[in-house]
Amino acid sequence: GAGVSQSPSNKVTEKGKDVELRCDPISGHTALYWYRQSLGQGLEFLIYFQGNSAPDKSGLPSDRFSAERTGGSVSTLTIQRTQQEDSAVYLCASSSGTREAQPQHFGDGTRLSIL
Amino acid sequence: QKEVEQDPGPLSVPEGAIVSLNCTYSNSAFQYFMWYRQYSRKGPELLMYTYSSGNKEDGRFTAQVDKSSKYISLFIRDSQPSDSATYLCAMSASGNQFYFGTGTSLTVIP
Repeated sequence: GAGVSQSPSNKVTEKGKDVELRCDPISGHTALYWYRQSLGQGLEFLIYFQGNSAPDKSGLPSDRFSAERTGGSVSTLTIQRTQQEDSAVYLCASSSGTREAQPQHFGDGTRLSIL
Repeated sequence: QKEVEQDPGPLSVPEGAIVSLNCTYSNSAFQYFMWYRQYSRKGPELLMYTYSSGNKEDGRFTAQVDKSSKYISLFIRDSQPSDSATYLCAMSASGNQFYFGTGTSLTVIP
């Protein structure tokens, strides 16, 4: 398909384990974003990539969270030593623009549950 | 004060009604405005994208931006049960920093 693809769609893990979430953006989109969405809450910005670099990491909640993007395409969000408060839906979005605010296109998210 | 305010609802209307969804904002630098629709267990889907003030129409959907009042609206005409979803507004000044509302939950009753 031509949309943003995220995997896994669901992840259940024990507290203290590490998890890795994957995002495959729309082909040709240079900008990539990670958000977190908790029940009844809005979208919480985590990190933004332009190409392979991350000019804005301001939303990462702690040093347990990290993300990388390789080849200007696939991105991975890693959460180390997971805590129960990390349970949420993690959404990835991509867009084509840089200077102007091009609209973002979202994947369906990874639903993360920490037991 | 939040950058973007959106009434969470829930909003319940009969099929065929006109629905009005709104957001207010505080940053006068915002000039790009978006509306997203999010079905349960799905990602947000872009509905409307507008630049600066004015109206934009797409089928049953009309987006309005009033920059002087810092107020944006999404109107849905002839609402259908398939319109039942959460609607998110989003906005940006420029570049790649976006601010989202918390979403309004809409149910259209057949």
